[in-house]
Amino acid sequence: DQQVKQNSPSLSVQEGRISILNCDYTNSMFDYFLWYKKYPAEGPTFLISISSIKDKNEDGRFTVFLNKSAKHLSLHIVPSQPGDSAVYFCADNAGGTSYGKLTFGQGTILTVHP
Amino acid sequence: DAGITQSPRHKVTETGTPVTLRCHQTENHRYMYWYRQDPGHGLRLIHYSYGVKDTDKGEVSDGYSVSRSKTEDFLLTLESATSSQTSVYFCAIQETYNEQFFGPGTRLTVL
Repeated sequence: DQQVKQNSPSLSVQEGRISILNCDYTNSMFDYFLWYKKYPAEGPTFLISISSIKDKNEDGRFTVFLNKSAKHLSLHIVPSQPGDSAVYFCADNAGGTSYGKLTFGQGTILTVHP
Repeated sequence: DAGITQSPRHKVTETGTPVTLRCHQTENHRYMYWYRQDPGHGLRLIHYSYGVKDTDKGEVSDGYSVSRSKTEDFLLTLESATSSQTSVYFCAIQETYNEQFFGPGTRLTVL
């Protein structure tokens, strides 16, 4: 079974600095990875994704890097803002099918201090 | 806004009682999902649907059933609620390849 792990339960950074959130996975053949952000009392919102055929995807302040040999992906937020404070989940669709049975990591709580 | 609503948003119930949570979408998407979120576990898939009357089990389906009689509604039923089913439940729909969009959640407490 696919496993997705976020080994850091929390991360604290100063406003304006870089936030790096990490995620490790097990299987990888046709994977498609996603990052979600979640505020308290709200549903997760889609942030950014990356296909296993790429090693980088960028969207404004958010960049996701994929290291297939290490089975590791990371989300970089530059510069970090207080409004980025939330729980971040990485997710994986390892099936390569047309519909997404996602496997989520445990989440990392990001706190950005003004 | 993906047009997903969940009802109720909060519910407190007693062990052994049946509970039904409703997910409603306004945009005619084929795929719908139910997840639960618990501390230390992230989100885990309970059941999903790939069309009217077409459903299948996810990772943590024991104790749950689902029904989808209309495209817009996906119901999650706890036949006999237990304290281990205290959780936050999220419904999701899939708009584009692999990208799911989530509803606001239902916080369920089983006493």
